Amino acid sequence: GDSVTQKQGQVTLSEDDFLFINCTYSTTTYPTLLWYVQYLGQGPQLLLKVTTANNKGISRGFEATYDKGTTSFHLQKASVQESDSAVYFCALVASSGSWQLIFGSGTQLTVMP
Amino acid sequence: NAGVIQTPRHKVTGKGQEATLWCEPISGHSAVFWYRQTIVQGLEFLTYFRNQAPIDDSGMPKERFSAQMPNQSHSTLKIQSTQPQDSAVYLCASSLVGGGNSDYTFGSGTRLLVI
Repeated sequence: GDSVTQKQGQVTLSEDDFLFINCTYSTTTYPTLLWYVQYLGQGPQLLLKVTTANNKGISRGFEATYDKGTTSFHLQKASVQESDSAVYFCALVASSGSWQLIFGSGTQLTVMP
Repeated sequence: NAGVIQTPRHKVTGKGQEATLWCEPISGHSAVFWYRQTIVQGLEFLTYFRNQAPIDDSGMPKERFSAQMPNQSHSTLKIQSTQPQDSAVYLCASSLVGGGNSDYTFGSGTRLLVI
């Protein structure tokens, strides 16, 4: 079945540092890959979506790309700010007809001022 | 657009009591999803409705949990005889149609605490 693996549980950076979070996925179809951000006390918010059609997404300074060869997708940002501190989830739209999102375990990003 | 609305935001129940959680999807969205979020298990899919019809409940615990969508403007998740292990944040999401062409919007969740 479909699966997503997100191994970086916690990342601590200083402001203006480079951010890179990696996920790997497994699916039987062309993937739709998403990045969600969750701030404390809120639900996850869609940050970026990447498909085989676009290979890359950019939003709010974040960039998401995917590599079909290694079945991995990445989230990166050139210069993080303290306000970026949150939990970041990668997700995959299930290949079955249920359309559920399959989430990674999340990366807690803490940006120190 | 008020987004996906979930009520209540917080609920405390005694062990063995019933809990009903409410979700109002974005108007016009035909797909509604329920997820459960805990520190240990992360975000777990529970169930999914499309045009109010139940499509996939493969993530629902077989006992005590049920979900309904009586009309296009709200869905409910009911937990009977709540247990401490049911304590979690329950999230509702909706999307226009679902699948790769849709954006899924989540509510802020209901934090359920069973004591």
